[in-house]
Amino acid sequence: DAGVTQSPTHLIKTRGQQVTLRCSPKSGHDTVSWYQQALGQGPQFIFQYYEEEERQRGNFPDRFSGHQFPNYSSELNVNALLLGDSALYLCASSITGGTGNQPQHFGDGTRLSIL
Amino acid sequence: AQSVAQPEDQVNVAEGNPLTVKCTYSVSGNPYLFWYVQYPNRGLQFLLKYITGDNLVKGSYGFEAEFNKSQTSFHLKKPSALVSDSALYFCAVRDIPGYSSASKIIFGSGTRLSIRP
Repeated sequence: DAGVTQSPTHLIKTRGQQVTLRCSPKSGHDTVSWYQQALGQGPQFIFQYYEEEERQRGNFPDRFSGHQFPNYSSELNVNALLLGDSALYLCASSITGGTGNQPQHFGDGTRLSIL
Repeated sequence: AQSVAQPEDQVNVAEGNPLTVKCTYSVSGNPYLFWYVQYPNRGLQFLLKYITGDNLVKGSYGFEAEFNKSQTSFHLKKPSALVSDSALYFCAVRDIPGYSSASKIIFGSGTRLSIRP
């Protein structure tokens, strides 16, 4: 049973460029969340997708956008890259439930470096 | 707003000794608390969770956590540390806004655990 998979594992971009990161959730999961983890810090919530819609969003600018496909996989897009966008981007999947007590399962992340 | 705090950036323990990684929380309503571990160049791995019930929660790899409502704490513990336990540990709380089932996780700043042989 494959867990959460993310691609690519590493990426180098320059300021002003655009990037797309991809995530396939764990089998049976229908909800995908994205987090940004800067060096030496805890992950920060970017947004969450369920039923192909953004359901909740953290404190990130509109340069960060996403998409969820019918097969539950997801993309994170970042436009007009800044040096401060350098971070590990983590995707997490879970099963939607009203009680919210299901743990999220994380992929190994995409390391994005901005030059 | 929900939040967690990890007061120690680093914890150093000798192999075989008990270990404790501290976490305090601030929530409105019932807390949904988690511990995750992160090894170098890897994502986060779920260790354990507290939703309701017994205050002592057992998790993966011999870890356990004690929920203390009066002290608003959720400390991670292990009776006998292994060198392989060396990693970055995150305490987290699930933020459940109102009636919505959307529930992001809010993480602490992390504690680096170092186990010396």
